[in-house]
Amino acid sequence: DIQMTQSPSSLSASVGDRVTITCRASRNIRSDLNWFQQRPGEAPKVLIYTTSNLESGVPSRFSGSGSGTDFTLTISSLQPEDFSTYFCQQSHLTPLTFGQGTKVEMK
Amino acid sequence: EVHLVESGGGLVQPGGSLRLSCAASGFTFSNFWMHWVRQVPGKGLVWVSRINSDGIATTYADSVKGRFIISRDNVKRTLYLQMNNLRAEDTAVYFCASPRGFSGYTIDYWGQGTLVTVSS
Repeated sequence: DIQMTQSPSSLSASVGDRVTITCRASRNIRSDLNWFQQRPGEAPKVLIYTTSNLESGVPSRFSGSGSGTDFTLTISSLQPEDFSTYFCQQSHLTPLTFGQGTKVEMK
Repeated sequence: EVHLVESGGGLVQPGGSLRLSCAASGFTFSNFWMHWVRQVPGKGLVWVSRINSDGIATTYADSVKGRFIISRDNVKRTLYLQMNNLRAEDTAVYFCASPRGFSGYTIDYWGQGTLVTVSS
């Protein structure tokens, strides 16, 4: 199975901060990497697909980059609605696997 | 707009069975792979199973292989998960999910989930 390791597992930040979350795959997954946001009690919502493609309706402050094994989700200027949990997911092979999540909390 | 609504969750004893359903709308259901993903509340996401557009090809996580069966009814636009011989560790919120394209590996849109609790 492809292991997805996210870091950090949590972070504290303020409105306006630039936030970076990383995701490392245990093997080369090309660009088959997606990012989701999940608020408490809600279903995950896709933010970025295939490494760097912004889902329709998602603010442009979200961006993704990387390839192979190392990927990054960046929020350029954190907004109050962004305090949430973020997951990466590889769509390269089954079993599809997810990172353990990064909880973004208010400082 | 893609709309997925799960149902069928509840409390079941260890060793029991439960069938989950996922009603789909807003897209041509019969053209797309579909997935089940589960999440222990407060924990991470775990992929469970997938089924191709015509229901012929299925794949399972090792943890559920031989106990769970995924199926679909394209006329009713409904996805199913038959869960047998349930264990305490199957307790989770179960989400159905669909891709934006025709790949069997991508997950983009999610339902709200249905909670399954396995306990005596």
